[in-house]
Amino acid sequence: AQSVTQLGSHVSVSEGALVLLRCNYSSSVPPYLFWYVQYPNQGLQLLLKYTSAATLVKGINGFEAEFKKSETSFHLTKPSAHMSDAAEYFCAVSELQGAQKLVFGQGTRLTINP
Amino acid sequence: DSGVTQTPKHLITATGQRVTLRCSPRSGDLSVYWYQQSLDQGLQFLIQYYNGEERAKGNILERFSAQQFPDLHSELNLSSLELGDSALYFCASSPGLGGNYGYTFGSGTRLTVV
Repeated sequence: AQSVTQLGSHVSVSEGALVLLRCNYSSSVPPYLFWYVQYPNQGLQLLLKYTSAATLVKGINGFEAEFKKSETSFHLTKPSAHMSDAAEYFCAVSELQGAQKLVFGQGTRLTINP
Repeated sequence: DSGVTQTPKHLITATGQRVTLRCSPRSGDLSVYWYQQSLDQGLQFLIQYYNGEERAKGNILERFSAQQFPDLHSELNLSSLELGDSALYFCASSPGLGGNYGYTFGSGTRLTVV
């Protein structure tokens, strides 16, 4: 079964610094991959998705992620952090068969320091 | 507003009671998914419906049940509630079964069992 591992349950960066949130997936074939963001007391919002087109995917709010098959990774980056980026971020992989539901990682809480 | 509507937003009830959570999917979406989010378990998939039929079951307790109605709204029924059932319950929807769609999430129902 597909799964994702998010490295680091908490990440803290300074405002203006690079944001890097790590996600590795397990799948025998390239899956569909997603990043979601959850702001306090809100639902999850889709940031970006990889569906086997371009390996560098651009999303909302200046985020992007690169699919690297050789490393089975789909890390999320943003060149310059804003205070408004503070939230929890979830990586997810879609099953390739059956119901093709999304399987989520445990999440990474991003804190931005002024 | 994501287009997925969940009611109620908050629910406080006593152990042993039964509650019903309601979800209206985004217009045109045929698939509905239910997830439970708790601090120790993260986002756990409960159940999926597609056009009125159950398509996948995850870690859903026997005390929990769900259905999707002809108008595509869905209800999650939780009975014989225990303290450990306190969590955020999310509904999400997608256009079809394909994993490439990603999900649109509602803002959740926060259930507190006392």
